[in-house]
Amino acid sequence: DQQVKQNSPSLSVQEGRISILNCDYTNSMFDYFLWYKKYPAEGPTFLISISSIKDKNEDGRFTVFLNKSAKHLSLHIVPSQPGDSAVYFCAAMTGYSSASKIIFGSGTRLSIRP
Amino acid sequence: EAGVAQSPRYKIIEKRQSVAFWCNPISGHATLYWYQQILGQGPKLLIQFQNNGVVDDSQLPKDRFSAERLKGVDSTLKIQPAKLEDSAVYLCASSLDATGISIRNTIYFGEGSWLTVV
Repeated sequence: DQQVKQNSPSLSVQEGRISILNCDYTNSMFDYFLWYKKYPAEGPTFLISISSIKDKNEDGRFTVFLNKSAKHLSLHIVPSQPGDSAVYFCAAMTGYSSASKIIFGSGTRLSIRP
Repeated sequence: EAGVAQSPRYKIIEKRQSVAFWCNPISGHATLYWYQQILGQGPKLLIQFQNNGVVDDSQLPKDRFSAERLKGVDSTLKIQPAKLEDSAVYLCASSLDATGISIRNTIYFGEGSWLTVV
């Protein structure tokens, strides 16, 4: 049962344009969402997050939007830069106990072309 | 600040052999995670430790996988005997604590240990 879904395995965007990565989830108990970025041969690194009490969080070129009614979130990168080429994982958490764990999507490979 | 250290980075073994991976979390981090990432998939949690106690090992294939964190610091993940489908990257991660909203985005991953079973 895949609770966090990233239906686009890959995305190609021209440098300078907007990149939009999408993520859907099924568990309405998720209350915190994260995006991780992963370069080849490296571990994932935290990029940006959003709590379920918000619908938008912005950090520089990165903005995450949350639509709870649709159980959908998206990551916008604008303007896209060559260094943004990586695999992006959407992830979700629930609860605040020591048993809280992160559920990851399958990732979207973003390629920024000149 | 030193990051999460993992070794070995790469390992190739034959099926039915055994392998062990080591992880040293960031100093002071109470929570340690082992994830399995199969090519084309997202990381899947295998086991989560809080200090030296197991918090969640519901997705650990206990017939062949084992993990320990005896002194609440570094950890080892063992696979014995290995199967072809165990080929994956094994990611170790750590965080100060799993509780509290202020630290929920401070989970740091190591570079991973790449396992190929042939």
